[in-house]
Amino acid sequence: QKEVEQNSGPLSVPEGAIASLNCTYSDRGSQSFFWYRQYSGKSPELIMFIYSNGDKEDGRFTAQLNKASQYVSLLIRDSQPSDSATYLCAVNSYYIGNQFYFGTGTSLTVIP
Amino acid sequence: DTGVSQNPRHKITKRGQNVTFRCDPISEHNRLYWYRQTLGQGPEFLTYFQNEAQLEKSRLLSDRFSAERPKGSFSTLEIQRTEQGDSAMYLCASSTRNTIYFGEGSWLTVV
Repeated sequence: QKEVEQNSGPLSVPEGAIASLNCTYSDRGSQSFFWYRQYSGKSPELIMFIYSNGDKEDGRFTAQLNKASQYVSLLIRDSQPSDSATYLCAVNSYYIGNQFYFGTGTSLTVIP
Repeated sequence: DTGVSQNPRHKITKRGQNVTFRCDPISEHNRLYWYRQTLGQGPEFLTYFQNEAQLEKSRLLSDRFSAERPKGSFSTLEIQRTEQGDSAMYLCASSTRNTIYFGEGSWLTVV
């Protein structure tokens, strides 16, 4: 069983719409959750992190965490063509060393 | 530039040769990670340092791979007797506590 699972997509949304990206994780001891954006041929770039249940907003991005369901999501409001990229979900747990486990990523295309 | 720095950015090598990558982390970060990423996959953990101590190493990492972090500053990742399956992007990341920041990556092509 993979530690972090994401729908690989591709996910396509029209410009200005809300993009919803989902991620599930297997380790109940996971404590920190991250979303990274990766453009083709580039390295991952941190978008935001969340530690507590509920929502966390940063500009057009909202991360949502539900530890009971072992589920974390990323909403992108007012999607722009520049948001077209692969979005990686990552989790971290002190109880399994200090590794950060990554999903395979969801490819997002925002259509102008 | 105070980000994570990696070099070389690109390396093409013949099968069987040795290659070494260098990573300079963000200066105040005491934790340093190496990951490998192939097309269509997420970053795969290779190894992790806290200061100069190598605390974790992936079971998937063969004996051909070795990493060092002398004096807890920069780190090197060496791959001996490269194979075509080693072709990938090698990512270095550093962190203070709970968040990791990646360098730009080093692309390896083994021909």
